Amino acid sequence: QQQVKQSPQSLIVQKGGISIINCAYENTAFDYFPWYQQFPGKGPALLIAIRPDVSEKKEGRFTISFNKSAKQFSLHIMDSQPGDSATYFCAASIMGGGNKLTFGTGTQLKVEL
Amino acid sequence: DTEVTQTPKHLVMGMTNKKSLKCEQHMGHRAMYWYKQKAKKPPELMFVYSYEKLSINESVPSRFSPECPNSSLLNLHLHALQPEDSALYLCASSLSGTSGIQETQYFGPGTRLLVL
Repeated sequence: QQQVKQSPQSLIVQKGGISIINCAYENTAFDYFPWYQQFPGKGPALLIAIRPDVSEKKEGRFTISFNKSAKQFSLHIMDSQPGDSATYFCAASIMGGGNKLTFGTGTQLKVEL
Repeated sequence: DTEVTQTPKHLVMGMTNKKSLKCEQHMGHRAMYWYKQKAKKPPELMFVYSYEKLSINESVPSRFSPECPNSSLLNLHLHALQPEDSALYLCASSLSGTSGIQETQYFGPGTRLLVL
């Protein structure tokens, strides 16, 4: 019940295209859903996050869509660039739960020229 | 400054060695974390310190021993490790871990550990 399922495992997108990564969860107690971006040789960095009281959050080219009833959320990267090539992890946590993150399995994104 | 630093960047050790990983942050954060990350896998939480006290131990084997000497420093002492412990060890920090709101965790670049 603590799992967060993430798909696809890998994704190749053409420059300028839209990258879409999906996550699903079971535990309805989760109330915070961040996305992390990790480049090779670096630690993960927070990209964007959402709480379940909103259905969408946009920051620049990055958008999170959240469907509470379906227990799903997704990351959309518009106008994908080669510099976006990285591994993306969705995560979920419970406020008051010691700030403990449950990560998805990760998606390796490659943006080709 | 949102930087978490980790030393060393790389470490090779034998199964009988004792070594330590070091993590430092100067953001005034009072919560610090150790994660283990295997290749192509997500980070796995090992330990959480909040206000220099161990608040979460995710059933980590005793060959890993964390220490938080002050609010800016976090160490991970390693002893009698196994080859399967080879991984990237990530340190992270956040505001307090007890604020009742979700806090961004800032990760360091990690120490890549190889156990021979």
